[in-house]
Amino acid sequence: AQSVTQLDSQVPVFEEAPVELRCNYSSSVSVYLFWYVQYPNQGLQLLLKYLSGSTLVKGINGFEAEFNKSQTSFHLRKPSVHISDTAEYFCAVSHQGGKLIFGQGTELSVKP
Amino acid sequence: EAGVAQSPRYKIIEKRQSVAFWCNPISGHATLYWYQQILGQGPKLLIQFQNNGVVDDSQLPKDRFSAERLKGVDSTLKIQPAKLEDSAVYLCASSFRHGQSPLHFGNGTRLTVT
Repeated sequence: AQSVTQLDSQVPVFEEAPVELRCNYSSSVSVYLFWYVQYPNQGLQLLLKYLSGSTLVKGINGFEAEFNKSQTSFHLRKPSVHISDTAEYFCAVSHQGGKLIFGQGTELSVKP
Repeated sequence: EAGVAQSPRYKIIEKRQSVAFWCNPISGHATLYWYQQILGQGPKLLIQFQNNGVVDDSQLPKDRFSAERLKGVDSTLKIQPAKLEDSAVYLCASSFRHGQSPLHFGNGTRLTVT
């Protein structure tokens, strides 16, 4: 069975600092990986996805993530965060064509 | 393109009452999903439709929850009777094709059961 673990429930960071949000997954088969962002009182919005090919995936708003098959990880990174990046971030995994399983979420709080 | 529309945005009911949520997906999206997001948790899939057929409802509490997608467009999710633990945000999402296509989410309906 698939599962997703987001290792940090909350990540406080100062503006313009780099940030990494960690995600590990468990699956015995090939997977698709996604990062979604949720701003307060809104639905989820896709940041980026990995389906195949290059392990470094670039998304919107300057975010990127690296697929590491040996470590079963898909960590999200941004070199310099803004106040507007404050939100909840969800990692998700699906077996090709299967159900999308979400992690518990990481609350990113960017302070001035 | 217009996004996924959901209504109402907020609903407060007493336990044992019934409630219904409505979702209109993005035009042309064949797959529609209902997720339940309890405070502090990630979304959990309740039911997935492909056109007007159910693909996955394995986590839908069928004794109290029901959903339909007549004509393969709009969808309604109903809870009857509601319990306190049903308090959550109910998110509707749609995708062009299940699997590789990203999910587009509505803003959700926040349900409070008192």
